[in-house]
Amino acid sequence: GAVVSQHPSWVICKSGTSVKIECRSLDFQATTMFWYRQFPKQSLMLMATSNEGSKATYEQGVEKDKFLINHASLTLSTLTVTSAHPEDSSFYICSATSGQGFSGYTFGSGTRLTVV
Amino acid sequence: GENVEQHPSTLSVQEGDSAVIKCTYSDSASNYFPWYKQELGKGPQLIIDIRSNVGEKKDQRIAVTLNKTAKHFSLHITETQPEDSAVYFCAARKGGNTPLVFGKGTRLSVIA
Repeated sequence: GAVVSQHPSWVICKSGTSVKIECRSLDFQATTMFWYRQFPKQSLMLMATSNEGSKATYEQGVEKDKFLINHASLTLSTLTVTSAHPEDSSFYICSATSGQGFSGYTFGSGTRLTVV
Repeated sequence: GENVEQHPSTLSVQEGDSAVIKCTYSDSASNYFPWYKQELGKGPQLIIDIRSNVGEKKDQRIAVTLNKTAKHFSLHITETQPEDSAVYFCAARKGGNTPLVFGKGTRLSVIA
């Protein structure tokens, strides 16, 4: 089945630094990628939607200059948390879907970000 | 926009019993309803899904029912096992490559 590989699985960084999270679709072309954030014991909150080759569409309240999303190819999307602060500590999850027919959504395994 | 309500938020059952989780959605244009299982520290895993042209779908111990008129759908797990313990999320999607809207999740505990 469809697989999305997400790295790193966890990362600890210092306040003020930037962190990049990668999601790769291994066996299909991900025309659309979604990035979610999940706080402990809460549901997944959509941060942004990105289509390959286009600028990402951010949800209300999500700072686009802080959470940089790049989806330059059909198999790779990245989320960069810039100038990270402790309140950015969360579980970040990507999800991908193909544009050819509808085959559902495939989720990455998530990245636990801790900012100290 | 779409709003998905999920109940209950926690559910404890004895091993071997059945578990039912219910969700309602607000947008009648939604046409795809997946259910995900999430274990601690992991991403969501699809366990079953249903499209709006189907009323029921079953996969071994797991089944989903959809009532389009009432705009609600339910997950049924029979003969529960301890390894079914996890957080379950329902979701809905309107169409095209639009994002899923998730319910708030149900923490299922299966007691051996």
